[in-house]
Order: sequence, then structure tokens, then C-alpha cells
Amino acid sequence: DTEVTQTPKHLVMGMTNKKSLKCEQHMGHRAMYWYKQKAKKPPELMFVYSYEKLSINESVPSRFSPECPNSSLLNLHLHALQPEDSALYLCASSQEPRDSSYEQYFGPGTRLTVT
Amino acid sequence: RKEVEQDPGPFNVPEGATVAFNCTYSNSASQSFFWYRQDCRKEPKLLMSVYSSGNEDGRFTAQLNRASQYISLLIRDSKLSDSATYLCVVTGGSQGNLIFGKGTKLSVKP
Repeated sequence: DTEVTQTPKHLVMGMTNKKSLKCEQHMGHRAMYWYKQKAKKPPELMFVYSYEKLSINESVPSRFSPECPNSSLLNLHLHALQPEDSALYLCASSQEPRDSSYEQYFGPGTRLTVT
Repeated sequence: RKEVEQDPGPFNVPEGATVAFNCTYSNSASQSFFWYRQDCRKEPKLLMSVYSSGNEDGRFTAQLNRASQYISLLIRDSKLSDSATYLCVVTGGSQGNLIFGKGTKLSVKP
């Protein structure tokens, strides 16, 4: 089973709201990722968690705050977003973060609109 | 030079055609290579990993040329359901993060 789930599927929020995106995998993967994808562009890496610890932050603004409560869950807390943050937010996981030969599996994404 | 380069297409082909996509990458230290497909407004789905010896999965054949830093994907007997954007992906840093090409759009017509 190579399933990564994400909730919600769609989210509309105002610039003063606080919301959270959730991601879950039960494949025993030890690396989890957040990507942002704008229309007609490839996914852009935001954060990498390796063994539940943040290992990469690709200079993402602090209005995005990741959290990894346990090895199966990954959250992305959103606060004071801007309209340009509207995008598809993808979560992914892979088996072993220190061995790059392992494939990453993506969740269906959360389509975020900031008004 | 961009890290992963692909022809954006679109490639418009009839059903049953054979179509090939190419990709070049700039980081000679990249260790792993993949093709993902992405349907409109959906997530990328892993199509296949790419190995130095080349690998085949049904109608799909992937090849890697490390010396030329070049990856290819061949699709034989195209189906309507093959219509999608095909993303060439290589690994970057030590954490295994992926570097995506911009994708090649394929449209298979009846």
C-alpha cells in the first residue's frame, strides 16, 4: 500500500486566518516532505522531515510552520498567508531519508486559496 | 544551466504511436532518477525509477546515460490514458530531496 493521505482536499482562507494542513502515511516511511506547486510549474520543496526531525527548510517564510507529531503524521500550520501563497500543497514520504534511491510517494494534495 | 531540463512539448500523437521524451540534468553527483506522471490538478505519481542498465515496464522503457547526464522515456503503443505531463526527476542533496524538471506534456488523440 503506497498511500499518502492529505486533508482537507480544498481550503479557502483569509489572510488573517490560522489553518492547518494534515498528512498521514502508514507505510513505515521515515522521511516526509512538504512541496508547493503552482499551476503549470513543477513541485517546489518546502520542508523535509527525517526521523521526525526537521532536516531541510528551503528558506520558507515563517508564516508556514511544519510539525511532525510522530512518524506517520505531518502537519503544516498556516498563519497570515498572502494571496500569492495560493497553490497545491503536496505531502510526500519515502522509506529512508539517507538513501536517495528510495522513491517518494505523494498524497493527493490540498488546493489552497488565500483571499 | 537549469538543474533538470525537459522539452515542455506538447507532444500530440495518435493512439498507437511510439513517443520518446528526453531529459538532461546538471548535477553529476545525482544518484537516483525517476519518471513521474502528473494528470491535470492531481498529484505526481511515480511511473518508474531509472537504472543505468535501463529498465522496462510494459509499454514503458527508461534509460540513463550517466556520461551524458541524459535520461529518456519511451512509450510504445500510446493509449488515450497516457495523456499527462511527464516529469523527469533526479535526487539532489544528501536528504534525498527531489529536483523536478518542468515536465513534458503528452496528448494522445484518437
